[in-house]
Amino acid sequence: RKEVEQDPGPFNVPEGATVAFNCTYSNSASQSFFWYRQDCRKEPKLLMSVYSSGNEDGRFTAQLNRASQYISLLIRDSKLSDSATYLCVVKGDSSYKLIFGSGTRLLVRP
Amino acid sequence: NAGVTQTPKFQVLKTGQSMTLQCAQDMNHNSMYWYRQDPGMGLRLIYYSASEGTTDKGEVPNGYNVSRLNKREFSLRLESAAPSQTSVYFCASSDAGQGAPDTQYFGPGTRLTVL
Repeated sequence: RKEVEQDPGPFNVPEGATVAFNCTYSNSASQSFFWYRQDCRKEPKLLMSVYSSGNEDGRFTAQLNRASQYISLLIRDSKLSDSATYLCVVKGDSSYKLIFGSGTRLLVRP
Repeated sequence: NAGVTQTPKFQVLKTGQSMTLQCAQDMNHNSMYWYRQDPGMGLRLIYYSASEGTTDKGEVPNGYNVSRLNKREFSLRLESAAPSQTSVYFCASSDAGQGAPDTQYFGPGTRLTVL
């Protein structure tokens, strides 16, 4: 079983739609969680950290469910520019290691 | 600030050839990382350097060596390239372990093909 699992998609949605991705992780001792965004043939970039109480950044909302060991990302009012791959990331058992999911691809159509 | 830079951007090697991928960061970060990214596999950690003078194996270190030349530079060497090492290689840096956020900043990547 992979340490971090994501639905690869693609999720194909119209502009203005709301879309949600989930990600599950296997290590119950994991402490830090993130969503990164990766555009086609580009490097990953931090989208947002995920806090225990949930957090919001504009149209993006991240939630953490420790009991079920999953993380979610909600995107409201999707824009064409949101088309990308979204990587779920979990900090492992070392202060220095991040474990990346294989990503969920989002396509926003006009 | 350039952030994290990597050279070369593209490389084609023949099986058995060697090469070094270069990475440099100008953010004064202590920690640096090398990942490879393959379709459907996500990013996998090859080696990391928690601080200048230290290096440690990640998830997939076989066939690679690294050198933390100084605080700014962290290189990845393939001594005898194999087709299985065809991948996109990303270097990253962070201030992890220094009381700072865990954000890792990535370079633009090196696309390596081994024939």
